[in-house]
Amino acid sequence: SQQGEEDPQALSIQEGENATMNCSYKTSINNLQWYRQNSGRGLVHLILIRSNEREKHSGRLRVTLDTSKKSSSLLITASRAADTASYFCATDFISGGYNKLIFGAGTRLAVHP
Amino acid sequence: EAQVTQNPRYLITVTGKKLTVTCSQNMNHEYMSWYRQDPGLGLRQIYYSMNVEVTDKGDVPEGYKVSRKEKRNFPLILESPSPNQTSLYFCASSPGTGGRYEQYFGPGTRLTVT
Repeated sequence: SQQGEEDPQALSIQEGENATMNCSYKTSINNLQWYRQNSGRGLVHLILIRSNEREKHSGRLRVTLDTSKKSSSLLITASRAADTASYFCATDFISGGYNKLIFGAGTRLAVHP
Repeated sequence: EAQVTQNPRYLITVTGKKLTVTCSQNMNHEYMSWYRQDPGLGLRQIYYSMNVEVTDKGDVPEGYKVSRKEKRNFPLILESPSPNQTSLYFCASSPGTGGRYEQYFGPGTRLTVT
């Protein structure tokens, strides 16, 4: 199965609420990244968190990383309709002597006005 | 403006007709890669290139070819497309290999093979 798996697959909330998405992975990682994708468009990088970091913030985004549980979460606070998109985690790990970046299947977030 | 461009954005073709999807970046990035995105499967890497004339297979390379003759360009070639290659394709670039850096993605190419 995939290295990174997001949970839930889909999330529907009202504007102003917080949205939390989770990512679990199987092998030790160097870093973990979160990306956003608006429908059918290219992915946009949100945050990169390294394996020795536990939390990172960027505006309304907060990412946590728990390497003991092999999991990460992305929190979007005070969500807006414009946050409607798919969110992907991507894990960076060593495979065959090279850094490898594996994407999960994503969480589809719908924020209703 | 720093960007990754892909052409064409949409393509409908028939089985067996060779096609090329172009990818170009203006950030002087060493690392470039191609992904395909299918519903429920996330992004899967097709091929990647760590620099000019250095390419290697990703997770789903069958039926695809690439070349890297110039640093800025990384075309994806389908010599004999088949319907199972119908997908959304993304080119990406980054300053270095793998996931050590953020990836910059192109806008995508939606390919339909009939």
